[in-house]
Amino acid sequence: QVQLVQSGAEVKKPGASVKVSCKASGYTFTSYYMHWVRQAPGQGLEWMGIINPSGGSTSYAQKFQGRVTMTRDTSTSTVYMELSSLRSEDTAVYYCARDDSSCWGLWGRGTLVTVSS
Amino acid sequence: DIVMTQTPLSLSVTPGQPASISCKSSQSLLHSDGKTYLYWYLQKPGQPPQLLIYEVSNRFSGVPDRFSGSGSGTDFTLKISRVEAEDVGVYYCMQSIQLPSITFGQGTRLEIK
Repeated sequence: QVQLVQSGAEVKKPGASVKVSCKASGYTFTSYYMHWVRQAPGQGLEWMGIINPSGGSTSYAQKFQGRVTMTRDTSTSTVYMELSSLRSEDTAVYYCARDDSSCWGLWGRGTLVTVSS
Repeated sequence: DIVMTQTPLSLSVTPGQPASISCKSSQSLLHSDGKTYLYWYLQKPGQPPQLLIYEVSNRFSGVPDRFSGSGSGTDFTLKISRVEAEDVGVYYCMQSIQLPSITFGQGTRLEIK
């Protein structure tokens, strides 16, 4: 069925990097842009950026410029979000969401990233 | 960045009663293509957000007709005609007119009395 399956929870130390994956199935991977959104514990939603799985072009929120890299692997229908120089404030659930003509109707279940020394 | 301001931040509603959430944007969300890029999401406890309303007033597939959206320019409203127990969660408005600067409202927590 149509779904986005995200990688499992991660625990990282401050200063490290994390790479979260989001594997698409049930639809043509390259036909839909993908967004990444995060949510700190008990907080609201924060948009991080978008990737075009077809050509790989990306656009990032200014807050994350220089620290985030979104990539894709068309052979496995997977998009990745890598965040570097992690700090405690990056502890959050990270979601991928498919963009269908600006409707984000399909979301992954989320990946909890904990940054702790 | 466009600031999205929701009111109220929390709501306690008796089942069967209506509920209304306001969302105001710091800039117009009407694009030159004629579309208004305002969306409503509900995040139920322990789940990812789910799309309720797109482009101000269009219900997403499978969304009950007790949910409706209205508004224009910078002022928008989500209404639930008769709240049910399953409507509990946090409601977010979101604007996507300004890439790469998509922003959400702070969220409105709906609980059942």
